[in-house]
Amino acid sequence: QVQVVQSGPEVKKPGASMKVSCKASGYTFTGYYMHWVRQAPGQGLEWVGRINPNSGATNYAQKFQGRVTMTTDTSISTAHMELSRLRSDDTAVYYCAREVDRTAARLLDYWGQGTLVTVSS
Amino acid sequence: DIQMTQSPSSLSASVGDRVTITCRASQNISSHLNWYQQKPGKAPDLLIYAASILQGGVPSRFSGSGSGTDFTLTISTLQPEDFATYYCQQSYSTPRTFGQGTKVEIK
Repeated sequence: QVQVVQSGPEVKKPGASMKVSCKASGYTFTGYYMHWVRQAPGQGLEWVGRINPNSGATNYAQKFQGRVTMTTDTSISTAHMELSRLRSDDTAVYYCAREVDRTAARLLDYWGQGTLVTVSS
Repeated sequence: DIQMTQSPSSLSASVGDRVTITCRASQNISSHLNWYQQKPGKAPDLLIYAASILQGGVPSRFSGSGSGTDFTLTISTLQPEDFATYYCQQSYSTPRTFGQGTKVEIK
């Protein structure tokens, strides 16, 4: 069965970097984009970006350009998202989610459990 | 970027009510519209994709409609487990944008 399991919570100081991991199992990791979505406390869902594990190609939301780096390690079916120069408003739950193409539709069908990143001095 | 606007932002309803949530895209996205349900402390769950196709295992009281710029999520008979926040998301282009969410609360 498909599973997506994320790394544990992190506490970071402003200006530091964070790296969240997302380990996939139960499917061909290179066959599906992996997306990253975040949710600040009490707020809605915000798309951060996506990566094609087969090619390494990425697309990032404009507001994160220059601060975010998405990578994959296909040998262990794991995706990583690194965010640098952290600010307090980066405090959020970060989710990874698999995107599947189904009859010309693209949808996020399996999500990780979320990783809380707290940025505080 | 494509902007997604949901309405209402929140609503109060009773078990058994019919509930309708709307989502409007800032440009034509054909049928590239998905709906997710999120409960507190949990990751979102896919309900409907391609505007109207029910994800496997989702109860038939959920339905979606629309194309182009205007879309609707309907819950025909609200059940206790349906109290949650609902998000639309366009998958027409990147960045994949979400609506701001609609919180369905108990009346």
